[in-house]
Amino acid sequence: DVVMTQSPLSLPVTLGQPASISCKSSQSLVHSDGNTYFNWFQQRPGQSPRLLIYKVSNRDSGVPDRFSGSGSGTDFTLKISRVEAEDVGIYYCMQHTHGGTFGQGTTLEIK
Amino acid sequence: EVQLVDSGGGLVQPGGSLRLSCTASGFTFKSFWMTWVRQAPGKGPEWVAKINPDGSAIYHADSVKGRFTISRDNAKNSLFLQMNSLRVEDTAIYYCARAGGADYWGQGTPVTVSS
Repeated sequence: DVVMTQSPLSLPVTLGQPASISCKSSQSLVHSDGNTYFNWFQQRPGQSPRLLIYKVSNRDSGVPDRFSGSGSGTDFTLKISRVEAEDVGIYYCMQHTHGGTFGQGTTLEIK
Repeated sequence: EVQLVDSGGGLVQPGGSLRLSCTASGFTFKSFWMTWVRQAPGKGPEWVAKINPDGSAIYHADSVKGRFTISRDNAKNSLFLQMNSLRVEDTAIYYCARAGGADYWGQGTPVTVSS
């Protein structure tokens, strides 16, 4: 199985400041069709995960533009340009190029 | 509006079986990959299985391979997960999700494996 490793695991951030989460895969996520099937999810307490970013850098419908995704191959990043209170939660990366795998999660909290 | 309704969970003894169902509406079910994801209490989500639109390609996580089987009935807009030889560590909320990338999720159905 592909292993997804996130860092940091805990991310305290001051309101209005930027935040960045890294996710590294144990092998390239470029599919034979040329696409990279890599997503980011947000999970708030008591809720199911919500898709934020799909195929590395595409924001899902309704996702604020302060969220952005980048990366290629095995290294990916989620950035929040200015953290708001509603962004508190756990962020997970996920690949579905090779079956499927989630990262272990990064807990974002307000400092 | 996309809706996914999960059902079939419950309490089962180790070694037992359950069949989970997911009924889809609001989109053309037969055109999408479908995925099962589970989340154990206090843990992150774990990818379980996915199936292509016509059911000819299926993938399972190593942790469930040989015990769980994903399937679908496009005529009934339904996705299934047959779970056999259940273990205590299979205890989780099970979600069906649309597409390989899980863009929409059901509400989840709880599975508890305990003696």
